[in-house]
Amino acid sequence: AQSVTQLGSHVSVSEGALVLLRCNYSSSVPPYLFWYVQYPNQGLQLLLKYTSAATLVKGINGFEAEFKKSETSFHLTKPSAHMSDAAEYFCAVSGSRALYDKVIFGPGTSLSVIP
Amino acid sequence: EAEVAQSPRYKITEKSQAVAFWCDPISGHATLYWYRQILGQGPELLVQFQDESVVDDSQLPKDRFSAERLKGVDSTLKIQPAELGDSAMYLCASSNPGQGNYGYTFGSGTRLTVV
Repeated sequence: AQSVTQLGSHVSVSEGALVLLRCNYSSSVPPYLFWYVQYPNQGLQLLLKYTSAATLVKGINGFEAEFKKSETSFHLTKPSAHMSDAAEYFCAVSGSRALYDKVIFGPGTSLSVIP
Repeated sequence: EAEVAQSPRYKITEKSQAVAFWCDPISGHATLYWYRQILGQGPELLVQFQDESVVDDSQLPKDRFSAERLKGVDSTLKIQPAELGDSAMYLCASSNPGQGNYGYTFGSGTRLTVV
């Protein structure tokens, strides 16, 4: 079975500061990992995904995440926060095998960017 | 860019009434998912279709919820009767066959308010 925990339901950063959103996962098979972003009253947009290639994954809008198997982590970072980054961020996991292809979402982290 | 279409965007219904949501996945995507997202939480899978067949509906409250995808293309999710606790965002997503674990494409969702 797969599960995701996200440390910190709310994170505030100043504009221009580093963004770090934490995600830890549990999976009974080698995982695929995802970060999604959601703006108010919108669906979820895929930011980036890890599917067993490079452990450092670059996504859209300047975000990147690093898969660390030893730490079971997949933290999301961005060097310099922009006001437009304020949104809800969801980490998600699925299994890398066909029978484990459901994507399980974490509870989300709300990111606020302070001018 | 191909999109998953959902309608309506917003729905207000009275308790005990029936309500239905519609989803049209990306053309060629055989796998379709319905998720429910309660405010402040991550999405939870309600039902997964492969073509017209239900693959997983273990989390679907079958006493009041039903889902169908008669021709293996678009899908309808129905709630009858609606309860106050059903107020949530209902998200539809689709993926290529066998590639759900590479990430989904989500629609914009239907925001349901039960009064």
